[in-house]
Amino acid sequence: DTEVTQTPKHLVMGMTNKKSLKCEQHMGHRAMYWYKQKAKKPPELMFVYSYEKLSINESVPSRFSPECPNSSLLNLHLHALQPEDSALYLCASSQGTSGGGRETQYFGPGTRLLVL
Amino acid sequence: DAKTTQPTSMDCAEGRAANLPCNHSTISGNEYVYWYRQIHSQGPQYIIHGLKNNETNEMASLIITEDRKSSTLILPHATLRDTAVYYCIVRAPIYSSASKIIFGSGTRLSIRP
Repeated sequence: DTEVTQTPKHLVMGMTNKKSLKCEQHMGHRAMYWYKQKAKKPPELMFVYSYEKLSINESVPSRFSPECPNSSLLNLHLHALQPEDSALYLCASSQGTSGGGRETQYFGPGTRLLVL
Repeated sequence: DAKTTQPTSMDCAEGRAANLPCNHSTISGNEYVYWYRQIHSQGPQYIIHGLKNNETNEMASLIITEDRKSSTLILPHATLRDTAVYYCIVRAPIYSSASKIIFGSGTRLSIRP
């Protein structure tokens, strides 16, 4: 099973709202990722968690707050977002060990976020 | 990680082989070539990867030139469901517990009936 699940599929929120995106995998992977994808653009890396610790933060604004409560779950907490933050938010996971094949990332279907 | 260059778009007739090129002239000796695709409004899907040798799996074949400066992804019998954006990525095996993928612009492949 190479499934990464994400909830919700769609989310509409106002600029003053607080919401969370959730991601889950049961492949035993120890690395999990958040990407942001604007329309007609490639995905851009936001955060990487490795063994439940934040290892990469690609200079993402603080209104995005990631959390990895355990090895299977990854959250992205959203607060005071701007309309330009509207995008597809993708979660991915990988085994988290060195070596070419073990670094293959498996992506979820994404959450489509609209900020009004 | 090395940069890749892909054509912006291509098309292919259904049932024919789709050959998607990728240039990675600055690739280093330990960098792998990965291919992902993204069907409209879905998450990227892993297709195949290789280092030096040609590779084949149930989805596609990957042909890497001897100098490793370019590669070709081959979908042997394209179907309408293969319409997607295809991303070629080169990446070193990062000897830490996580790794980064940097997506280029990709090739938009259209399969015509």
